[in-house]
Parts: sequence; structure tokens; C-alpha cells
Amino acid sequence: AQKVTQAQTEISVVEKEDVTLDCVYETRDTTYYLFWYKQPPSGELVFLIRRNSFDEQNEISGRYSWNFQKSTSSFNFTITASQVVDSAVYFCALKVWTGANNLFFGTGTRLTVIP
Amino acid sequence: EAGVAQSPRYKIIEKRQSVAFWCNPISGHATLYWYQQILGQGPKLLIQFQNNGVVDDSQLPKDRFSAERLKGVDSTLKIQPAKLEDSAVYLCASSWDRRTDTQYFGPGTRLTVL
Repeated sequence: AQKVTQAQTEISVVEKEDVTLDCVYETRDTTYYLFWYKQPPSGELVFLIRRNSFDEQNEISGRYSWNFQKSTSSFNFTITASQVVDSAVYFCALKVWTGANNLFFGTGTRLTVIP
Repeated sequence: EAGVAQSPRYKIIEKRQSVAFWCNPISGHATLYWYQQILGQGPKLLIQFQNNGVVDDSQLPKDRFSAERLKGVDSTLKIQPAKLEDSAVYLCASSWDRRTDTQYFGPGTRLTVL
């Protein structure tokens, strides 16, 4: 069975601070994909990044960076120099290669950036 | 490129009434998904279509929920009759390939059942 855990329910930071959102996943499949989505107050889920299980390289995109570690089954997301527009709920999700290839979401982390 | 379209954006109904939601996926995307997102939770898959065939509907409450994708493009999700616990956001997503591709989501329909 697949499972995604986002232990941080809510985080508040002051603008320009760095913040890391944690994601721990469970799966027995050796081929899988990990995702991060952002859900602003408007409600639409916005795709941020996708990593496959064979690629453990960290990735940086502007103020966003992702740290994928298979040894600890974690896929953490860091926002550097946070801005008010980063305020949203962030979801980590897992998709495995076998079966119906469904996307399993964590419960989300609500980030509030205080100006 | 146009994104996933959904309508209506908001719907308020009374329990035991019926409601239908519509979704038009990104052009060329063969796979279409319907999710239910209850407040404070992550989205939960209800049904997955590959073209006009159902891949997975194991989480769909079939006694009251139904979905179709007749021509392999747009899709409708229906609830009949609605219950209070159906109050949620219903999200539609699509992807090019169900195994490897990223799912892109529409804006959702917020349903309130009174």
C-alpha cells in the first residue's frame, strides 16, 4: 500500500525567511514518482515538480528547491526568502508504476507567510 | 495551451437533490480523473478514465455517484441523491499518459449540501 505523510499541518513564517516542508512516503514499488502541488486560496492545484525514483538529484528552481532522499523515503521542499504569495496549502503526492497508477496525496501543509 | 476546464465553480443544493459536474481536459490528454477533496484533507481519487474506458472506480460510491466520458474527451460526474457528507471540492485532472505523466488539475467545483 502507498502512503504519504506530511507531519506539519500548519507553518507560519515571516516574509524573507526560509521554510522547509517535509514529506515522507511509503511504497514497496521500486518505480515510482513523487510530486509537489501548490493549492492557493483560489483552490486550483498547481503542479510544481515531479521526480522519479531513479533520479535522486536535488533540484533548484528559482526560490524553490527539493531534496529527494531514498534512504529516508523523504522528498522535502524548501522555499528560500519566502514571499506572501507563497501562502498556500502544499501537497506531496506519490504515484507508483504498477496497478492503476493512482496518485496518493498527503494531507497537506498550510503555509502562511506573514508580511 | 488551455488548461482543464470545469463547471460550475460553485453549487449549493439541498440533501437528496441531484447535481452534475462537467470537465473538459487538456486537449490530447487520454487520461481523466475525478477527485473529491474534503476540507482539510488531500484529494481522494473517485474514478480514472483512459479514453472512454474506466481504469479504476474502486473509491466511487456507486450507489449515488456516477461518471461518464462517452466520447473520450469531456466528462460528467453526477451525484444522486446528495448527502450532507458530499460537501467537498470536486477536482478534475487530466494527463497525457496515466503511467508516467503529470496530472494537471482544473479549478474545481465547490459543492455545498444543506
